[in-house]
Amino acid sequence: AQKITQTQPGMFVQEKEAVTLDCTYDTSDPSYGLFWYKQPSSGEMIFLIYQGSYDQQNATEGRYSLNFQKARKSANLVISASQLGDSAMYFCAMREGYNTNAGKSTFGDGTTLTVKP
Amino acid sequence: NAGVTQTPKFQVLKTGQSMTLQCAQDMNHEYMSWYRQDPGMGLRLIHYSVGAGITDQGEVPNGYNVSRSTTEDFPLRLLSAAPSQTSVYFCASSSDLNTEAFFGQGTRLTVV
Repeated sequence: AQKITQTQPGMFVQEKEAVTLDCTYDTSDPSYGLFWYKQPSSGEMIFLIYQGSYDQQNATEGRYSLNFQKARKSANLVISASQLGDSAMYFCAMREGYNTNAGKSTFGDGTTLTVKP
Repeated sequence: NAGVTQTPKFQVLKTGQSMTLQCAQDMNHEYMSWYRQDPGMGLRLIHYSVGAGITDQGEVPNGYNVSRSTTEDFPLRLLSAAPSQTSVYFCASSSDLNTEAFFGQGTRLTVV
């Protein structure tokens, strides 16, 4: 069973508008972390935002926020005020359990976001 | 601060050849990993390490070997390259479960 599901292969958004990228996850471990990464066309992986399973509040980092709904096992990324430079592939990822799993991330298949001028 | 350094950036191999992808980090991270990314897909874990001398298999380990003799270095060896190993390879390191992974720039490998 897929542990991370990103159901939107591609998304379009108008510049300056907000966009939500969906991510659902599957785990039976009470301790886990959820991450979002951006991969521009140049290929590097850029960390955006992190949410821990025990965090009470939704994570925010500048224009990025994470809509964490634990009961629904969803961790959607919200990008506010989209910019042309936000056009990229976005990956949701998860790590489960203890520190010994710190090197084991599971990734979704990604969502390609295109920002239109 | 260099972060995670991968070499080479590009490589073409013939079927059956062997090679080593190099990965080094200067952040004193205990945890290091190798992933492969096939077109239009996410990253899949090949091997990972929780510290010097300790490695384990990930989701797609067949055809690859790793070793971790120092905290800094985590090379990935392709034993006998196959066209199915054509992919982009990423090395990553992290300090604990709750912090992000730092990625190298990637190695684009083509096996002909």
